[in-house]
Amino acid sequence: SQQGEEDPQALSIQEGENATMNCSYKTSINNLQWYRQNSGRGLVHLILIRSNEREKHSGRLRVTLDTSKKSSSLLITASRAADTASYFCATGRNNAGNMLTFGGGTRLMVKP
Amino acid sequence: GAVVSQHPSRVICKSGTSVKIECRSLDFQATTMFWYRQFPKQSLMLMATSNEGSKATYEQGVEKDKFLINHASLTLSTLTVTSAHPEDSSFYICSARDTTSGTYEQYFGPGTRLTVT
Repeated sequence: SQQGEEDPQALSIQEGENATMNCSYKTSINNLQWYRQNSGRGLVHLILIRSNEREKHSGRLRVTLDTSKKSSSLLITASRAADTASYFCATGRNNAGNMLTFGGGTRLMVKP
Repeated sequence: GAVVSQHPSRVICKSGTSVKIECRSLDFQATTMFWYRQFPKQSLMLMATSNEGSKATYEQGVEKDKFLINHASLTLSTLTVTSAHPEDSSFYICSARDTTSGTYEQYFGPGTRLTVT
């Protein structure tokens, strides 16, 4: 069964606005990763945050992790139409080669 | 960055036939690869963990005799869908972890869309 739940399931914003997606999980983790998937394509790794980290930045992306609440958020600032995609969080555990468990995903649409 | 390829990208087969999907790590070694299945507008569901030189570990509810996994080398894992049925139609994605890098990052293939008619 999936560990992560993502919120919202779908998000529609205007270009230039910020987009925030949330992810909650149930068990203890070693790391949490965010991926992007364009329709019908493979996954692109965006950012990884370890369980001992609280915040991480990469370009227009900002990820937070709160292990006490078992939650993470992905913030995309100054969104662009090209950011339109599905975004998934995935939690990794330090067994079986860091097997990932994916959340349900958030479908983001950025309108030009 | 590390690249994972899948072949074929799309396949259509008739019900009852078998289909083999390949997953290759192109510029790194992967002792562990993962196979996922994704139905339309849904998330990725892990099917099995493929270990080089040993038997794959299947997730609960995944039939190991139907989804045969072979990880014969450090750069290649194959998934064979045997006696395919229309309900097996899905997007199959593999991932691999660069086990020499010391990182947790996994690299995903572009996926294979299987349609069983």
